[in-house]
Amino acid sequence: DAGVIQSPRHEVTEMGQEVTLRCKPISGHDYLFWYRQTMMRGLELLIYFNNNVPIDDSGMPEDRFSAKMPNASFSTLKIQPSEPRDSAVYFCASNLADRNTIYFGEGSWLTVV
Amino acid sequence: AQKITQTQPGMFVQEKEAVTLDCTYDTSDQSYGLFWYKQPSSGEMIFLIYQGSYDEQNATEGRYSLNFQKARKSANLVISASQLGDSAMYFCAMREAGGGADGLTFGKGTHLIIQP
Repeated sequence: DAGVIQSPRHEVTEMGQEVTLRCKPISGHDYLFWYRQTMMRGLELLIYFNNNVPIDDSGMPEDRFSAKMPNASFSTLKIQPSEPRDSAVYFCASNLADRNTIYFGEGSWLTVV
Repeated sequence: AQKITQTQPGMFVQEKEAVTLDCTYDTSDQSYGLFWYKQPSSGEMIFLIYQGSYDEQNATEGRYSLNFQKARKSANLVISASQLGDSAMYFCAMREAGGGADGLTFGKGTHLIIQP
């Protein structure tokens, strides 16, 4: 079975540019999470969706960050404009409500210079 | 206050020895779940084991077991017969709402190095 698929795996961009990270959750999963990992702050939950509806976006750092889930098989996390402090690994994860396992994608490594 | 505390930033262990990675948690919920993930140097997050707050038996998955002490709010990961491939970061995490209604809160992690 295919796992959570994220793209791009690596991105280097200049400050001020728009960044779009993409995620395809495991088929049939009804929850989707976006996490950010940095050395300083560890793993932080940014936002999560249930049945494509955003439930809690309190972890989104500021208005430059937005996330969408137009359908059950696709989500995006957008940063506009990007800043060097956004450099991090961004993980997407998904799970079924009645299962006790949350599966992570391989992460998108973002560097903003 | 931190919800998940991992007090061992790093550990060195000889190959084939058993390893215990500590994790304590803080919650007022009655229903919660505890997870352990492994993150090797390649960066992916690999699910290892889950323990529900109402589970009476300690969870086991192959060489991994979870030593769950509810009264002490402790959920230590035990790796038996450690292997070189076990070298990685290990994260303890908690989900406080049942049924996947909330995301995971992670600890800071423990960097485990297995020495030959």
